[in-house]
Parts: sequence; C-alpha cells; structure tokens
Amino acid sequence: AQSVSQHNHHVILSEAASLELGCNYSYGGTVNLFWYVQYPGQHLQLLLKYFSGDPLVKGIKGFEAEFIKSKFSFNLRKPSVQWSDTAEYFCAVSRNSGNTPLVFGKGTRLSVIA
Amino acid sequence: DSGVTQTPKHLITATGQRVTLRCSPRSGDLSVYWYQQSLDQGLQFLIHYYNGEERAKGNILERFSAQQFPDLHSELNLSSLELGDSALYFCASSTRTGRNEQFFGPGTRLTVL
Repeated sequence: AQSVSQHNHHVILSEAASLELGCNYSYGGTVNLFWYVQYPGQHLQLLLKYFSGDPLVKGIKGFEAEFIKSKFSFNLRKPSVQWSDTAEYFCAVSRNSGNTPLVFGKGTRLSVIA
Repeated sequence: DSGVTQTPKHLITATGQRVTLRCSPRSGDLSVYWYQQSLDQGLQFLIHYYNGEERAKGNILERFSAQQFPDLHSELNLSSLELGDSALYFCASSTRTGRNEQFFGPGTRLTVL
C-alpha cells in the first residue's frame, strides 16, 4: 500500500524566509504527485502537480517542488514566504494508472509571522 | 472556486441518526471521490465512483454508503452516527484523462452530538 510521510508537523517562519517542506512516499511503481494547500476554513486547492518529465515543477503563488525519484521525495519550496502563505500543506500521491484515489500525508501547518 | 459543489456546508445531528451529504462534480467530470478529514486520522479516502459505478473503497465503515446518480452527482449516506464520525467530508472530482488531478469541493462539516 502507498503511504506518504510529511516530516514537519508545524513550521513557523518569518516573512521573507525561505521554505522547504519535506514529503516522502512509498510506492514502487509510477506515481502522480501533488501538493495541496488548505487555507484556514477553506477547501483544498491544488498548488502543483507532477506527472512526468522535468522533475522541477512550478505551481501557483511562487511555489515549486522537486521530484527526486531515487529518494522517493517530492519536497515543496518557496524562496520567500508571505504572511498570506499561512495554511496547511498536504502532499499526496496516486498511482499513475487512470483515476485512482489520492493518498495524503498528515499535513504540515505553516505559520508565517511578520 | 473549483467548480465542485457540496451541500450542506454544516450539519449538526445526534448520535444514532442518519444524514446524507451531496456532491456535484465539475461539469464533464465522471469521477467522484469522497474523503474524510479528521484531526486524528488526517485526510482519508472513503470511496470512488466513476460514471455511476463504484471503483474503489478505502477506509469506509459499513455504516457508510454512497452512490452516483445518472446526472453524476453523488451522495454519501452516513447512518447510526457516532461521536467519532464528526469530521469534514470532502468530495473531489477528476477528469477522464487519467492524470488524476482532483478538484475538491468546499466540504461538509459534520458534528455529531
């Protein structure tokens, strides 16, 4: 069975600091990888996705993620965070074979302070 | 706005009761997924329907059931409710292309008292 690990439960950063959130998955086959963001009281929104090709993917709001196949990792990065990035971030994986359910990590809560 | 709608937004009910949550996917999407989000379990997949047929089951209790109708909307039925069923229930829809990019609805917050 697939599983997703997000190493950081809660991250606190000052505005303009750089962000890196770790995500590792376990699955031997080809996968689709996603990062979702959930702002307080809101639904999940897709930040970025990886299906194939260039392992460095860019998403919305200045976020990017790098897929490292040898490490089964898909870490999320942003060079300079803003207060408005305060949210919960979820890494998710699905098998790359048609419509299959997403397996989510436990999430990382990001608090950005002024 | 993802284009996925869910009703109701909030639901407060008592233990032992039965409720129905409704989800309408984005126009053209055939797949509907249901997920439960709770503080202790995180986001857990419950069930997947594709064009009216059940495709996969996750950690869904026997007290829970779902269906997808010909107009592609889906309903999640929760019965004999327990305090532990209190959670956010999300549905998501995805396109038929197989890339599995899922778009989430706003969720239904269920509180069981």
